[in-house]
Amino acid sequence: EAGVAQSPRYKIIEKRQSVAFWCNPISGHATLYWYQQILGQGPKLLIQFQNNGVVDDSQLPKDRFSAERLKGVDSTLKIQPAKLEDSAVYLCASSFTVEAFFGQGTRLTVV
Amino acid sequence: GDSVTQMEGPVTLSEEAFLTINCTYTATGYPSLFWYVQYPGEGLQLLLKATKADDKGSNKGFEATYRKETTSFHLEKGSVQVSDSAVYFCALSEGGNEKLTFGTGTRLTIIP
Repeated sequence: EAGVAQSPRYKIIEKRQSVAFWCNPISGHATLYWYQQILGQGPKLLIQFQNNGVVDDSQLPKDRFSAERLKGVDSTLKIQPAKLEDSAVYLCASSFTVEAFFGQGTRLTVV
Repeated sequence: GDSVTQMEGPVTLSEEAFLTINCTYTATGYPSLFWYVQYPGEGLQLLLKATKADDKGSNKGFEATYRKETTSFHLEKGSVQVSDSAVYFCALSEGGNEKLTFGTGTRLTIIP
């Protein structure tokens, strides 16, 4: 069974630029999550989708972050404009029941 | 809101030593509890889980018991190996397909 796929693995951008991350969840998993993991901290939920509807985006900085999940499968997370404090690993995860499966993440560095 | 507090690291042990990483939680309901592991250069992987009080999760020689009375889920292993070197995260969720709330992680290094 293929795991959660994310791209790119690494991205370096200047502040005020925009960036987008892509996630392909495990086939059949209706729930998809985006987490932000800042160095030295545990992952923090940014947004949760159930199929193509948003379940929880209370921690998403909506003035600069946006996410969509077209057709209830793939998802993209966008940051525009980026700030230095957005430097982190962005993790995508999907689940069918209790267990969430994580991708390898995208490491974003904002300079 | 929900929160997870875990033992701060880093933790360094000799091979074959006994391991305990403490984890306590605060939750409004009856959460499921998890330990995730992140090996160098890899993504987060589920190590073990317990979904109700007194359940014991186990995998790869690691164990953790869901203790409702002490709101704890401590991770233990009787004899660690160099290959266990990783970052370990304790986490909870309030139900199926609910978000995970993570602790800050504990970096474990095992020396030969």
